[in-house]
Amino acid sequence: EAEVAQSPRYKITEKSQAVAFWCDPISGHATLYWYRQILGQGPELLVQFQDESVVDDSQLPKDRFSAERLKGVDSTLKIQPAELGDSAMYLCASSLVAGTPPYEQYFGPGTRLTVT
Amino acid sequence: QKEVEQDPGPLSVPEGAIVSLNCTYSNSAFQYFMWYRQYSRKGPELLMYTYSSGNKEDGRFTAQVDKSSKYISLFIRDSQPSDSATYLCAMSAGTTDSWGKLQFGAGTQVVVTP
Repeated sequence: EAEVAQSPRYKITEKSQAVAFWCDPISGHATLYWYRQILGQGPELLVQFQDESVVDDSQLPKDRFSAERLKGVDSTLKIQPAELGDSAMYLCASSLVAGTPPYEQYFGPGTRLTVT
Repeated sequence: QKEVEQDPGPLSVPEGAIVSLNCTYSNSAFQYFMWYRQYSRKGPELLMYTYSSGNKEDGRFTAQVDKSSKYISLFIRDSQPSDSATYLCAMSAGTTDSWGKLQFGAGTQVVVTP
């Protein structure tokens, strides 16, 4: 069964350091999402890509976060510099081309980030 | 105030009991309502989705939507220990400028004891 791959699964970093997360969506899924899930809360959308284009990044803290999906396949989310409040689970999800909503989003296992 | 409210629990039930979960919301534009299940240290997986008001049944799971009350529910019959997880409700307006944008509740942790 096809799955969304994410790496690393766990990351511990010191504040002010840079950190990057990688996501490989299910093959053929044109839409890719990055979510942040703080412990005890639901996922919050950070950025949505349609192929290589950003569709929605209204909740992305652009002063420190960046995301790219250069060839419209895999994607990287970067934080620089990391802050203590960035400690959370970072989830990647993918779905088929936007058609009839709600077109199921498939989530990866996430990257758990701890900033010390 | 959050757009979607969900009691975080934990909700503990004995095996075989009915699990009742619910969410309330404030945005009347929401038309698509989903329930995701999230096991510990895993990503969420879609259980069910419903469009507009009404009921939907899938095996042991029943989803209900009451748009007039802005209230949705998920019922799990004959609960099993393997149902122990966090259940997240999610909603979407489904409009052209919001496709894919899901608003999640905080999730309810469910524990089914043998």
